Amino acid sequence: GENVEQHPSTLSVQEGDSAVIKCTYSDSASNYFPWYKQELGKRPQLIIDIRSNVGEKKDQRIAVTLNKTAKHFSLHITETQPEDSAVYFCAASLSYGQNFVFGPGTRLSVLP
Amino acid sequence: EAQVTQNPRYLITVTGKKLTVTCSQNMNHEYMSWYRQDPGLGLRQIYYSMNVEVTDKGDVPEGYKVSRKEKRNFPLILESPSPNQTSLYFCASSLALARFDEQYFGPGTRLTVT
Repeated sequence: GENVEQHPSTLSVQEGDSAVIKCTYSDSASNYFPWYKQELGKRPQLIIDIRSNVGEKKDQRIAVTLNKTAKHFSLHITETQPEDSAVYFCAASLSYGQNFVFGPGTRLSVLP
Repeated sequence: EAQVTQNPRYLITVTGKKLTVTCSQNMNHEYMSWYRQDPGLGLRQIYYSMNVEVTDKGDVPEGYKVSRKEKRNFPLILESPSPNQTSLYFCASSLALARFDEQYFGPGTRLTVT
């Protein structure tokens, strides 16, 4: 089955700097890769996703890149702000909805 | 208001006492799923359902049961809870995952089994 690894497990950056979180997956058949943000005590919320037929997707300060050959995808947050502090999860899934596999999460702290 | 609801939000129970955590969505979503969240392990999928009467195992199904008799409801059943099932549980739904629709998560149920 699919296995998703995520690095780093914790990340601290200064406000205004960029943050990068990387995930690798094992099943080459996976073709949907969402990223979720979970603030303390709250539910996960989708922030961006990418499908396997796209190499990069951007939404304001957030971008995701996908390298299918190497089986890894990354979340990039630019101009970080204190409200970006949260735990971020990557996930991988097959398009027809077979089981979702999440990475273990990255705790991002943006220091003022 | 479009939402996914779970009940109860908090539950403390004893080993072996059967319990059910309900999940309901009002968005006419086809896909529903249950996850457990444990520190350092992220979210792990327990069961998912592609539609009514269609369910399948996720990565950690042992000790759990589900049913999908109606489109809006997807209860999680623990027939004989054990302490290792102490966790934070999330239900989620999506219009149709095959179309890459966003998964919406419920507020979570914190379960403690003593």
